[in-house]
Amino acid sequence: DVKVTQSSRYLVKRTGEKVFLECVQDMDHENMFWYRQDPGLGLRLIYFSYDVKMKEKGDIPEGYSVSREKKERFSLILESASTNQTSMYLCASSFRGDDSNQPQHFGDGTRLSIL
Amino acid sequence: AQKITQTQPGMFVQEKEAVTLDCTYDTSDPSYGLFWYKQPSSGEMIFLIYQGSYDQQNATEGRYSLNFQKARKSANLVISASQLGDSAMYFCAMREGWGSNYQLIWGAGTKLIIKP
Repeated sequence: DVKVTQSSRYLVKRTGEKVFLECVQDMDHENMFWYRQDPGLGLRLIYFSYDVKMKEKGDIPEGYSVSREKKERFSLILESASTNQTSMYLCASSFRGDDSNQPQHFGDGTRLSIL
Repeated sequence: AQKITQTQPGMFVQEKEAVTLDCTYDTSDPSYGLFWYKQPSSGEMIFLIYQGSYDQQNATEGRYSLNFQKARKSANLVISASQLGDSAMYFCAMREGWGSNYQLIWGAGTKLIIKP
């Protein structure tokens, strides 16, 4: 089974702090994704990466950056956390195959609160 | 314009009844794929079922089936013989095209509650 592991289930940080959310997958997937999920808004893509050291902006990249130094690890960085970044953060991974049938596999999510 | 529409914000269903969760989509690309995910209250997103635009048959996975009506651009999820453990949020998502477009477009979700 695919395993996507997020470093924390719950995290509380203060405004202005630099926050790191880590995600590791064990299935040798090329693609990795970071989403945030807010009630009534569904999932919104922050960044994704289709290869090591490659990254693409999603729909809401402002206030975030990412790092992918190794294939299995994709980090989301909040450079200076703000209260409007309080949310559920979900990491996902998938094969890069050209077919559209490759599902994204998700971690358990991190509930981040910025005080 | 919304590309994925889930018109039912919430549904209550009696245990053991069948459930249909609606999903309509909008794309001009002839090649696309549709996914359904389940999210229990614990938060993890679980992949349920996939339907490709060129698939001739409706997808099935155990108690899950997809009622795919291409002309109407709908891809409804059917859960047979519902169980209490089916209570969760359900999301429909679409991937357009082939090749390097890896992103999924997500619907807002439907909250399903199964009553004992």
